[in-house]
Formats: sequence, C-alpha cells, structure tokens
Amino acid sequence: GQNIDQPTEMTATEGAIVQINCTYQTSGFNGLFWYQQHAGEAPTFLSYNVLDGLEEKGRFSSFLSRSKGYSYLLLKELQMKDSASYLCAVRDSNYQLIWGAGTKLIIKP
Amino acid sequence: DARVTQTPRHKVTEMGQEVTMRCQPILGHNTVFWYRQTMMQGLELLAYFRNRAPLDDSGMPKDRFSAEMPDATLATLKIQPSEPRDSAVYFCASGAPGQHYGYTFGSGTRLTVV
Repeated sequence: GQNIDQPTEMTATEGAIVQINCTYQTSGFNGLFWYQQHAGEAPTFLSYNVLDGLEEKGRFSSFLSRSKGYSYLLLKELQMKDSASYLCAVRDSNYQLIWGAGTKLIIKP
Repeated sequence: DARVTQTPRHKVTEMGQEVTMRCQPILGHNTVFWYRQTMMQGLELLAYFRNRAPLDDSGMPKDRFSAEMPDATLATLKIQPSEPRDSAVYFCASGAPGQHYGYTFGSGTRLTVV
C-alpha cells in the first residue's frame, strides 16, 4: 500500500531551527510537496522536490532522498506565525497526491 | 493573483437535505481534486478529474456523493441525502500535471449537517 509518515506534533522555540521529517512508500514517484496549513485555513504550497538534494527558499528548505524514501522540511529563525500544520505529499505514478496526516508545529516564545 | 474559488464558504443543513458545493478552478488548470478534511482523518481524496474526465472517485461514497465537471470552469460535489457524519471541510484544488509549483487549494466549504 501507499504510506506517508510524519510526526504528529512538534514543539520549538521562537528563533530556533526545526526539522520535520517525512518518509514515504508510494507507487511511483513524481515529486514531493510540502504544504503549510494554518488552523481554519486551506493548505498553501511551500516547496517541491523531484531530484535528490536540498531546495532552499528563504527561511524554509526542503531535502529529498529518493533512494531512502525520505524528505525533511527545515524551518530556520522560527517566528510565531510559523505555528501551523505541515503536510507532506507525494505525487505518484498516476499524478495523484498521497498525503501525510500532517505535523502540528507549536512555536513557544 | 490566480485563485481557486469555492462556494459556499459555510453551509449548515439538516440531515437528509441535498448539499451542492461548487468550485471554479484556476483558468488553464486541467486537474481538479475534491478533498474532505476532518480532525480525525486528515485530507481524504474524494474525486480527481483531468481534462474534465473523472480519473478516480474510489474514495467517494457513491451511494450519496457525486462529483461532476460540466465545463472547464466549474466542478461540483453533491451529497444527497446528507448525514451528520458528512460534517467536514471540503476543499477543491486545481493544477496541471508535471507542474512544480504544486496544486492550489480553494478556501474550502465548511459543512455542518445537524
């Protein structure tokens, strides 16, 4: 079956760095996405990885290892507004998105 | 700023009533997803269209749910009859195969069935 695993909840301190891991087993691979979802709002696109390595975008970076079925989202210089759920999703061979359950990130002052 | 438009934003209805949710995908996007999100289940795929053709609706309870794309600018999700367990947020998302900037979600329809 297809499966995406990510931690349910993480806590970090304002100004610090946090890494949210995602492991996956899917039928084919056509890219991995990270989305941010604030409570009561729609998911918004953060990053996309299709080749191995690190993609950096401002305070956020995303890493992919296809051979290990592994990705992480790295958030630097954490701000209170980064408190949200972070969803990992893999696009499979049918171009469908397989979603993880999301990681709720709590930022403390 | 291109956006996916969903209506209504909120819907409260009585059990047994028909509910229709609408989605206007971003112009030029040929892929449309309907998702349901609850606290317990996360994001569940209900239906998936490409070029208006349904590709996957295996996640949708077919006895009461139906999804259609009457034209490229409109996708609908209908529940008849509605039940309290259908209470959730329903999201529509659009995109194009192979794009690297992800799929864009609408603001969602928060459905409450009493």
